[in-house]
This record gives sequence, C-alpha cells and structure tokens, in this order.
Amino acid sequence: AQKVTQAQTEISVVEKEDVTLDCVYETRDTTYYLFWYKQPPSGELVFLIRRNSFDEQNEISGRYSWNFQKSTSSFNFTITASQVVDSAVYFCALSERNQGGKLIFGQGTELSVKP
Amino acid sequence: DVKVTQSSRYLVKRTGEKVFLECVQDMDHENMFWYRQDPGLGLRLIYFSYDVKMKEKGDIPEGYSVSREKKERFSLILESASTNQTSMYLCASSPPPVAGEKLFFGSGTQLSVL
Repeated sequence: AQKVTQAQTEISVVEKEDVTLDCVYETRDTTYYLFWYKQPPSGELVFLIRRNSFDEQNEISGRYSWNFQKSTSSFNFTITASQVVDSAVYFCALSERNQGGKLIFGQGTELSVKP
Repeated sequence: DVKVTQSSRYLVKRTGEKVFLECVQDMDHENMFWYRQDPGLGLRLIYFSYDVKMKEKGDIPEGYSVSREKKERFSLILESASTNQTSMYLCASSPPPVAGEKLFFGSGTQLSVL
C-alpha cells in the first residue's frame, strides 16, 4: 500500500538558517511521482515540485533544493538561508501510475522561521 | 490566472444539518477532488471525479456524498453533519487522469459543526 511519512511535525528555525524537511514514502509501483506543496497561512496549497521515479537527479530552484533517493525511499526538501516568508506547512505527496492522478499526502511539517 | 474557487472560507453548522460545500474551477479540468485536512493527519481523500456525473470513493467517504452535474463544479455534501466532520475541506482539480499531474487547490473551507 502507498504511504507518505513526514516525521517532523513542527520545525522552528531562525532566519538565514538552512532547514531540511524529511519525506519517506512507500509504494509497490515502479512508476510513481513525488510532489512537494507549500501551504501558507492563506490556506491554498501551492505546488513546488514534481519528480518521477525514473529521475533521481537532485534539483535546485533558488534557495530550494530536493534530494530524491530511491534506495532509501526518501524525497527530502532543503531550504537554504531561510526567510520569514518560508513559514508555512509543507506537504510531501505520492502519485502512483495506476491511481489516475490521486495524490496521497504526508502529515505535513509546519515550518516556523523567526526573524 | 487559473483558479479553483470554494464558495465559503468559514462555515458554522449545527449537528444534523445538511451541508453543501461548493467548488468551481475555470481550467476545464476533467479531474476534481475533495480532501479534508486535519492536524497530524495531513490531507485525506474523500471523493473524486474524472468526468461529469461520475464519482469515485476516496479513502474516507463515510458520511459524505458528492455531485458533479457540470464539468466545472464539484459539490461535497454532508448529509447529516456531525461534530467529527469539523475540519478544513480542500477542493482540487487537475487535467485528464494521467498519473503525475499536479493538482490545483482552492483556498479551503474551514467547517465547524457545533
């Protein structure tokens, strides 16, 4: 069965610190997709990134970077030099090939960046 | 700008009431989804729909039903609201049911059942 685990419920850092949000997934499918979403206080989930199971290249987008490791079934998200505007709840999610677009979400990690 | 619009941001209802949560998308997407979000549990799928007049149960459909009479509108119905249905409800849409498509979310409806 598919499952996504975000073990960190809350993280608090001071501005300019680097922070890594962990995501571990379970799936029996060989073709799947992993996502990260950000939910600011306004409530709307904002798409950050999607990776497919055949592409293990790490990705960097500005201060954000993602580390995908199939060997450990992890898809971790790092924010470098965090800012107050990064404060939000972050969700990791999994979509399997045969599930027609459904996303299975982790529990979410609430990140608080203090000035 | 593409949008998924949920009719109410906050809603307060009484136990036993019939509750309608409305969601409209302007992206001509085939797929629409209803999730509920609870602290410590993340988002859980209630129902989804791949086309007009069709629906599929998600992981927690009990106590809910849905309606999709038009492509752009997907309604979640609580037949008889209960206090354990107090939650944040999020609607989402996506293009045709191809795995890997990202979902577009509305801002959510915070429902309180008293």
